[in-house]
Amino acid sequence: KQEVTQIPAALSVPEGENLVLNCSFTDSAIYNLQWFRQDPGKGLTSLLLIQSSQREQTSGRLNASLDKSSGRSTLYIAASQPGDSATYLCAVAYNFNKFYFGSGTKLNVKP
Amino acid sequence: EAEVAQSPRYKITEKSQAVAFWCDPISGHATLYWYRQILGQGPELLVQFQDESVVDDSQLPKDRFSAERLKGVDSTLKIQPAELGDSAMYLCASSLLTGEAFFGQGTRLTVV
Repeated sequence: KQEVTQIPAALSVPEGENLVLNCSFTDSAIYNLQWFRQDPGKGLTSLLLIQSSQREQTSGRLNASLDKSSGRSTLYIAASQPGDSATYLCAVAYNFNKFYFGSGTKLNVKP
Repeated sequence: EAEVAQSPRYKITEKSQAVAFWCDPISGHATLYWYRQILGQGPELLVQFQDESVVDDSQLPKDRFSAERLKGVDSTLKIQPAELGDSAMYLCASSLLTGEAFFGQGTRLTVV
């Protein structure tokens, strides 16, 4: 079974701070990697998709990087806001677009 | 904007009863997934369809769970009989053959 690990499990920061969420995976033969946001009791919202041939993707204040050789991805959030408070999940896709998820990082941005 | 539709949003059922969830993927998405998410954990794949065919159901408890996607479009996940340990969020997602996966809002199941 493919292993995906997210560190830290929880993070609390003051508003305005830049922060980095980490995702590591055991098998580097990935098709792509996707970052999601999940609000309490809700479904998953796609944030960024990085194809295996790419090194990074950016959307607004979010930047995701991918280093297949080391089995790592990071999600960088600039100038955090209270509305960014949610759980962030990393999912790694292998053959047949089968996704494996980490347990998530629960982010709290304090006003 | 196209989205994955799931129903119901919430379901409370008694132990040993049957329960069913429905999912309508984004139009044109050949791949459909059912995931189960226990509170505080990441989603775990139950079953993956490619059109109407099952690609992976290795983690589906087949003694009580069944899933179908008869016409390769919408899908139903059934549990019979439900057990207390089945209480979780059931998430449906869809994607093209490769690429970005899109999730529905999920069905929160509580078994009492």
